[in-house]
Amino acid sequence: GQQLNQSPQSMFIQEGEDVSMNCTSSSIFNTWLWYKQDPGEGPVLLIALYKAGELTSNGRLTAQFGITRKDSFLNISASIPSDVGIYFCAVTHSNYQLIWGAGTKLIIKP
Amino acid sequence: SAVISQKPSRDICQRGTSLTIQCQVDSQVTMMFWYRQQPGQSLTLIATANQGSEATYESGFVIDKFPISRPNLTFSTLTVSNMSPEDSSIYLCSVGPGKFYEQYFGPGTRLTVT
Repeated sequence: GQQLNQSPQSMFIQEGEDVSMNCTSSSIFNTWLWYKQDPGEGPVLLIALYKAGELTSNGRLTAQFGITRKDSFLNISASIPSDVGIYFCAVTHSNYQLIWGAGTKLIIKP
Repeated sequence: SAVISQKPSRDICQRGTSLTIQCQVDSQVTMMFWYRQQPGQSLTLIATANQGSEATYESGFVIDKFPISRPNLTFSTLTVSNMSPEDSSIYLCSVGPGKFYEQYFGPGTRLTVT
């Protein structure tokens, strides 16, 4: 089946660092989504991308929809403790279903 | 975005019993989805539930094990039947599609089967 390759699997970050994660696919998709999930909660939509090449910001978060429509990245600038969690990329598929990446777990270095 | 609630938030159940999870939305929505998520893992779609029609199940999930109801445009239930420890997981409902075909999620139900 179709898959999204999300990397890295996990990241240890210092508060104040910039963070970057990405998602790639062998197939073309017309909408890319980035979600964040905190422990004990459902995923929350951060950014939706629907134009190839589009760069979209949401506060300290910036995401880009690759020009080939096969990839996307998410950057977080000046990370803070509440950025900890699992970040998922997802793409829309047939019948309005979503295909999900495996997630990137953000952990704060002690 | 819609506000979605789930009941119960968590439960511990005995093997062989059944649990019904409720999903309530504060506005009418076209589609509701049920997912399963193992801790630390990605989401796996169980089924899509549209009002007025039978739920559509994904490969590996069957109606006898996971019966779903969708009586109106704001409510759905998922039943986990004849539970075994392998059913221990987080069950999430979501609604959609949004403007960009996105989905919005409830807080999840954490199920432990002993």
